[in-house]
Amino acid sequence: GDSVTQMEGPVTLSEEAFLTINCTYTATGYPSLFWYVQYPGEGLQLLLKATKADDKGSNKGFEATYRKETTSFHLEKGSVQVSDSAVYFCALAGGGNKLTFGTGTQLKVEL
Amino acid sequence: NAGVTQTPKFRVLKTGQSMTLLCAQDMNHEYMYWYRQDPGMGLRLIHYSVGEGTTAKGEVPDGYNVSRLKKQNFLLGLESAAPSQTSVYFCASVGGRWDTQYFGPGTRLTVL
Repeated sequence: GDSVTQMEGPVTLSEEAFLTINCTYTATGYPSLFWYVQYPGEGLQLLLKATKADDKGSNKGFEATYRKETTSFHLEKGSVQVSDSAVYFCALAGGGNKLTFGTGTQLKVEL
Repeated sequence: NAGVTQTPKFRVLKTGQSMTLLCAQDMNHEYMYWYRQDPGMGLRLIHYSVGEGTTAKGEVPDGYNVSRLKKQNFLLGLESAAPSQTSVYFCASVGGRWDTQYFGPGTRLTVL
């Protein structure tokens, strides 16, 4: 079945540091890929998406590229802020109208 | 337009008690989902619905039942709560495309 693997956290960075959160997936066919963000005490919000190979999703300075050859969708940001502290989830939508989530990566950004 | 709302926000139950969680959306979405979130395990799908009157099992359906009598509402029921059902429950709805998806704020349930 479909699965998503993302790097374990927490990831602790200083403000303005470069961020990478790794995500790889296993799926049949051509899934759509997503990154979600969850701030403390809140539900998930869609951060960005990509629907086909080589697509780059971007939003709020975050970006991720759909790499079919390496089955990856790594999240990056050039300069993180304290306000980016949250839990980030990678997910895929395969067949059957269902999302499959990774376990989440907590990001802590310090001054 | 309130998006996706969940009631209640918090609840404490004793083992064996029953309760119903309500998810409501005002976006006329066809697809609705119930997830549970546990530490270190991400979100796991409990049940989902692809339209009014339909339901289907997800990854972890045991101990839960659902109903979708009205398009805007998706109810999650626990008939006999167990401590293993202590979790944060999230509802989500999706429009015709995956980029029109919205999550509710969650319900924190503790079963003693």
